[in-house]
Amino acid sequence: DQQVKQNSPSLSVQEGRISILNCDYTNSMFDYFLWYKKYPAEGPTFLISISSIKDKNEDGRFTVFLNKSAKHLSLHIVPSQPGDSAVYFCAASVLRGANNLFFGTGTRLTVIP
Amino acid sequence: DTGVSQNPRHKITKRGQNVTFRCDPISEHNRLYWYRQTLGQGPEFLTYFQNEAQLEKSRLLSDRFSAERPKGSFSTLEIQRTEQGDSAMYLCASSSYREAFFGQGTRLTVV
Repeated sequence: DQQVKQNSPSLSVQEGRISILNCDYTNSMFDYFLWYKKYPAEGPTFLISISSIKDKNEDGRFTVFLNKSAKHLSLHIVPSQPGDSAVYFCAASVLRGANNLFFGTGTRLTVIP
Repeated sequence: DTGVSQNPRHKITKRGQNVTFRCDPISEHNRLYWYRQTLGQGPEFLTYFQNEAQLEKSRLLSDRFSAERPKGSFSTLEIQRTEQGDSAMYLCASSSYREAFFGQGTRLTVV
């Protein structure tokens, strides 16, 4: 049972434009959400997170939006850069720093120069 | 380098052999996790330690798998009698009540 879903396996965006990656979840107990970025042959790298008490968190070019009623979150990257090309995973947990994260299947972002 | 370190990076083994992986977490982190990732999937939780205590194990962790974290520092993950279905990337992560930071992983290939 996939509790965190990323329905778009891939996304291509022109350099300088906005990248929007989407994630849906089914478990209403999730209250902490994270985005990780993964390059080939490397482990996931933490990017940005958001608590369920917020609906937006921004860090430089990266912004995560949370819509609890829709059980949906999104990651916006503006402006997109070729170095952003990677696989992006959405993850969720029941408690911040809890014992395990539930990951989506990932979205491969390609930023075209 | 103060990140999470995993060894070896790659392991090729014959079916039926035992393998052991090591993880050195970020030194101030008391929580340590093992995840497994197969092609086209996100990481899947295997087990979790808080200090030296193994507090949770996933149903994915069969009896052939054992993990330890002696003295609450580094951790080892052993797979006995490996099967081809064990081929995957094994990821270790550590945290201290905040976001989990991952190592580069150990890619296991069972032939």
